[in-house]
Amino acid sequence: KNQVEQSPQSLIILEGKNCTLQCNYTVSPFSNLRWYKQDTGRGPVSLTIMTFSENTKSNGRYTATLDADTKQSSLHITASQLSDSASYICVVSPYGGATNKLIFGTGTLLAVQP
Amino acid sequence: GAVVSQHPSRVICKSGTSVKIECRSLDFQATTMFWYRQFPKKSLMLMATSNEGSKATYEQGVEKDKFLINHASLTLSTLTVTSAHPEDSSFYICSASETSGYYEQYFGPGTRLTVT
Repeated sequence: KNQVEQSPQSLIILEGKNCTLQCNYTVSPFSNLRWYKQDTGRGPVSLTIMTFSENTKSNGRYTATLDADTKQSSLHITASQLSDSASYICVVSPYGGATNKLIFGTGTLLAVQP
Repeated sequence: GAVVSQHPSRVICKSGTSVKIECRSLDFQATTMFWYRQFPKKSLMLMATSNEGSKATYEQGVEKDKFLINHASLTLSTLTVTSAHPEDSSFYICSASETSGYYEQYFGPGTRLTVT
């Protein structure tokens, strides 16, 4: 079972609209949770990184929230632009040990239409 | 800062040949570099972790004799896919970390490998 689940799998919105992407994880304990944007045919680019003690982190029009109690995170995109069309990946970094591997979600594919 | 490059960005090779992919950290020294593979509409899958000057650590199910990794300097790691087959066609992404560990990784732009 994937330890990081994202929803929806894909999403289409109109330019200018807001949207929220969800991430549920079972990784515990964890060190930090990240959101990445991956354009088609490109490597992931970091949007936000939150430690377990942080509740929210913003980066321009992107705002990530984290509820460590319910093990949920969300990424809110405000006033979407065509260039926001990409895959958004939630990544959890487990805490401790010599093998702190990044655990990737399967991503949400966002399409912003004019 | 923290820029990672990959070369080539795209490569097409014939079945049975070998292909080398380079990963460079341009403005920092990468103690650790990681190689991932990503199939269409799938998550990134870690293939191996390499530390400068030592042998790479491969994930379960990844053939170390097929995917040769060399991390000869603090700014360069290479992945060589030997005797490539069509099923090796994939998107290969490297990442680099300044520290020994997985904490902060900076990803390269990826290399699209197509084996015909």
